[in-house]
Amino acid sequence: NAGVTQTPKFQVLKTGQSMTLQCAQDMNHNSMYWYRQDPGMGLRLIYYSASEGTTDKGEVPNGYNVSRLNKREFSLRLESAAPSQTSVYFCASSEATSPLYGYTFGSGTRLTVV
Amino acid sequence: AQSVTQLDSQVPVFEEAPVELRCNYSSSVSVYLFWYVQYPNQGLQLLLKYLSGSTLVKGINGFEAEFNKSQTSFHLRKPSVHISDTAEYFCAVSEIQGAQKLVFGQGTRLTINP
Repeated sequence: NAGVTQTPKFQVLKTGQSMTLQCAQDMNHNSMYWYRQDPGMGLRLIYYSASEGTTDKGEVPNGYNVSRLNKREFSLRLESAAPSQTSVYFCASSEATSPLYGYTFGSGTRLTVV
Repeated sequence: AQSVTQLDSQVPVFEEAPVELRCNYSSSVSVYLFWYVQYPNQGLQLLLKYLSGSTLVKGINGFEAEFNKSQTSFHLRKPSVHISDTAEYFCAVSEIQGAQKLVFGQGTRLTINP
């Protein structure tokens, strides 16, 4: 099925470890996003990529880096994980940065940092 | 910058009863408004959106929302809920001009009791 695929679905890290969350979309969308979801806080934008080759900071970028590897893939890296980064991470894509086009979300990665 | 407040973190209702999920927004410019739904262990799906025109917007699964500019509200309603409507609902706003990124509310967990 067409859509946004995130891997892994679950991950447990120790404080200080690094990891990369992968995201790929097969809808030929130009824009991609990384959000984190925390209880009582909704979704907060970490980074986004308006088009291939560009990335920009969102609301909560500290502690994260991103790479727009190609038009399909947008990865999120935690260089040195901290317990405050325990969250559910969602990748999304859209035809353009305007939400008029609708965002398609992946099913999420549940990350626990101990 | 825009912001969204969902006034209820949890709403329990009985099956076949009506429901209203409340959303207020703040912005100094004109906005687009959205409701997304997240079923358990899934990503977010677009439920409905207000762009312009009629203030009453109909979405999927029998939901509708009414845009009230004077009260800066965009409340979601359904006249008769089903068990399958159990989910978390997010209100979101985007400025019409400028960066046009989605800003989400904190979410409302709707629980349907038999």
